Amino acid sequence: QKEVEQNSGPLSVPEGAIASLNCTYSDRGSQSFFWYRQYSGKSPELIMSIYSNGDKEDGRFTAQLNKASQYVSLLIRDSQPSDSATYLCAVNTLNAGNNRKLIWGLGTSLAVNP
Amino acid sequence: DAGITQSPRHKVTETGTPVTLRCHQTENHRYMYWYRQDPGHGLRLIHYSYGVKDTDKGEVSDGYSVSRSKTEDFLLTLESATSSQTSVYFCAISALGRGELFFGEGSRLTVL
Repeated sequence: QKEVEQNSGPLSVPEGAIASLNCTYSDRGSQSFFWYRQYSGKSPELIMSIYSNGDKEDGRFTAQLNKASQYVSLLIRDSQPSDSATYLCAVNTLNAGNNRKLIWGLGTSLAVNP
Repeated sequence: DAGITQSPRHKVTETGTPVTLRCHQTENHRYMYWYRQDPGHGLRLIHYSYGVKDTDKGEVSDGYSVSRSKTEDFLLTLESATSSQTSVYFCAISALGRGELFFGEGSRLTVL
């Protein structure tokens, strides 16, 4: 069973701090990785995608991928109360039929305290 | 924002009745998905479509059927609703099918 694991949290950080969210995956053949943000009662929203090892920055968000260690992380700099949400990690892998399949983690709840 | 709408947004129904949820997109994206989201289970794929009249099962397809007769519409049908199908249902679309999904606002279904 291919899995994506996240710490459920809640992760609590003070306003202005760096929030670090982690995700590990089991399938070494995974090729693309995504972070979604979901506010309470709302639908998930794509915030970052990463395909190769290293860092990818977009504004206050940085995604980090380490395929050798099978983890992907999301850093949020200068955290704001509006960043308080659940962050979902999703990994695109191949299923038994050699078709692409998106595996979702259960999400990490982030609370940014003013 | 991606043009994707779901209807109805809220529905309460009784066990054994048929229910159809509709997803409509204006983006002309090839891929469309139906997920359900439940506490402790996260997002689970019910069915997906990779083109008009091309659909396939996801991990929790039992009790559900889908149809896609036009690029813009993807229907999810519960032939005989059960209480275990009480959930929030999300439709999503994707141009390339790699994992960049745009989600609809969700449909909250309660089966009594």
